[in-house]
Amino acid sequence: DGGITQSPKYLFRKEGQNVTLSCEQNLNHDAMYWYRQDPGQGLRLIYYSQIVNDFQKGDIAEGYSVSREKKESFPLTVTSAQKNPTAFYLCASSIGSMNTEAFFGQGTRLTVV
Amino acid sequence: AQSVTQLGSHVSVSEGALVLLRCNYSSSVPPYLFWYVQYPNQGLQLLLKYTSAATLVKGINGFEAEFKKSETSFHLTKPSAHMRDAAEYFCAVYTAGGNNRLAFGKGNQVVVIP
Repeated sequence: DGGITQSPKYLFRKEGQNVTLSCEQNLNHDAMYWYRQDPGQGLRLIYYSQIVNDFQKGDIAEGYSVSREKKESFPLTVTSAQKNPTAFYLCASSIGSMNTEAFFGQGTRLTVV
Repeated sequence: AQSVTQLGSHVSVSEGALVLLRCNYSSSVPPYLFWYVQYPNQGLQLLLKYTSAATLVKGINGFEAEFKKSETSFHLTKPSAHMRDAAEYFCAVYTAGGNNRLAFGKGNQVVVIP
């Protein structure tokens, strides 16, 4: 089955620690995206990548980092510089630009304890 | 930059009644418009999309939406609500030549009352 896999589903982090969220897709999509979801705020774009070895900041990139070394993988690192990291994180991919359908993973819920 | 407005974070509807979720967009060029649905603790699933073909778009699960350029709207409707329609619904807009991103509204949490 083709799709996007995010892991883990739930993640707990101590304050001051970096943590990496995994996102893998086998849809052969060029573009991948990370969104953050908070209650009542919709989805906000963190980073996106349209091609391997290239990525751009979204609207709320501060405190986050990404890499795109392989077409299938787009991991997101939440660094200790992110002041309020507790949220639901969604990864998505699309064939090219987002005028086509975006496919979403099941999400990772990150909680800072 | 494009943007989307969804009013009313929570929408309650009786089972069997009309579901109406409003979406207004802001875009300086013809937009692509989408409605996504999210069930609890899951990702988003595409309900339907407008890409400048027909102005009335039919989607999955009996939903449809009508693009009205004069009103800059893309409201989502379903004639008869089912319990399984309880979910969060997001309207999103994409414009070509922009910054290659989907702009999402804040969402509508739909509650279906038996």
